[in-house]
Amino acid sequence: DAGITQSPRYKITETGRQVTLMCHQTWSHSYMFWYRQDLGHGLRLIYYSAAADITDKGEVPDGYVVSRSKTENFPLTLESATRSQTSVYFCASGVAGVGDTQYFGPGTRLTVL
Amino acid sequence: SQKIEQNSEALNIQEGKTATLTCNYTNYSPAYLQWYRQDPGRGPVFLLLIRENEKEKRKERLKVTFDTTLKQSLFHITASQPADSATYLCAREYNNDMRFGAGTRLTVKP
Repeated sequence: DAGITQSPRYKITETGRQVTLMCHQTWSHSYMFWYRQDLGHGLRLIYYSAAADITDKGEVPDGYVVSRSKTENFPLTLESATRSQTSVYFCASGVAGVGDTQYFGPGTRLTVL
Repeated sequence: SQKIEQNSEALNIQEGKTATLTCNYTNYSPAYLQWYRQDPGRGPVFLLLIRENEKEKRKERLKVTFDTTLKQSLFHITASQPADSATYLCAREYNNDMRFGAGTRLTVKP
């Protein structure tokens, strides 16, 4: 099916473990984004990518790593998970720049114990 | 810092009335501002984008205004229905960083 998918949808991990959240889009959009959503903070941009092999930091990048070897995939890795990274993570894609319309995935709920 | 604030955490209205949601931003005016709808357990869905040179934009029962003097955008839903119940987010781009408001949870009662 066309669109943007995220996996897993739910993940429980322990402090210190590495976790990778996957994001895949079938629209061939140039831009892809990772956000986290926490109560009281709304959505906050972690990283974004303007094209394959081009990534840049958003508002809250610390503790996260991204890569984009193919246009359609944009994985987000927490190299050593901390409790403060418990959140709902959304991936999004877009045709034009950061400020243009974004199309969001269904989200991954991550709990770090 | 560039802030974007939605005044109300929650808004309850009666079916058929007009819902008005407010979004305020600080410092530099964005070139455009966006509104999204988010249902529980789902990702946000794009609704409308309004540019700084547009005073008003409409889409079906939705209307967005943009006042760069007041640094404010208003989002209206006319003839509201219970199916409009959701959280509505405004967003602005600043320096290649998209900033979202915390959202207003709208409940439309039958």
